[in-house]
Amino acid sequence: GNSVTQMEGPVTLSEEAFLTINCTYTATGYPSLFWYVQYPGEGLQLLLKATKADDKGSNKGFEATYRKETTSFHLEKGSVQVSDSAVYFCALNTGNQFYFGTGTSLTVIP
Amino acid sequence: DGGITQSPKYLFRKEGQNVTLSCEQNLNHDAMYWYRQDPGQGLRLIYYSQIVNDFQKGDIAEGYSVSREKKESFPLTVTSAQKNPTAFYLCASSMRVGKADTQYFGPGTRLTVL
Repeated sequence: GNSVTQMEGPVTLSEEAFLTINCTYTATGYPSLFWYVQYPGEGLQLLLKATKADDKGSNKGFEATYRKETTSFHLEKGSVQVSDSAVYFCALNTGNQFYFGTGTSLTVIP
Repeated sequence: DGGITQSPKYLFRKEGQNVTLSCEQNLNHDAMYWYRQDPGQGLRLIYYSQIVNDFQKGDIAEGYSVSREKKESFPLTVTSAQKNPTAFYLCASSMRVGKADTQYFGPGTRLTVL
């Protein structure tokens, strides 16, 4: 079946630290992959996406590369800020349905 | 500004009552979705609709109902048959149902059953 597995949180980092949130997936065919961010009490906002293997999605200093050989889409940022504190969701789209990971909570401390 | 609106933001209901959550979009999207989010969990699909007057059950449709009479509106009714309705409900839309299509989300409605 189709599924997304994210690293367990919560993750706590100091400001300007390097961020990696791991995401691996299982899917039939060739899905598109997404990262969404959710701030407290709000809906999900698209952060970045990649639609085919080796594509790199990037936005606001975040980036992720679609790795078909390792079925992964890890989220990275070189220098996090306090304002990046949120819950991050990895998702895949098979064309018929979206599948979401359970979310990884990130807290950045000054 | 184009976007998705959900109302109300907070909703309280007594056990045994039906309640309807509103979702409106002005993005001219064909497809709309309802998800349920529980603490520490991912999103679970309740219902989705690809076109007006058509909708399909998602993974957890029991105890919920929807209608799609207009392209821009996709209300969700939480019925008294839903055994554990307290949750955060998210509405989303996409241009169509396709592999590369992005889903865009509303701000959510938090439903609490008293």
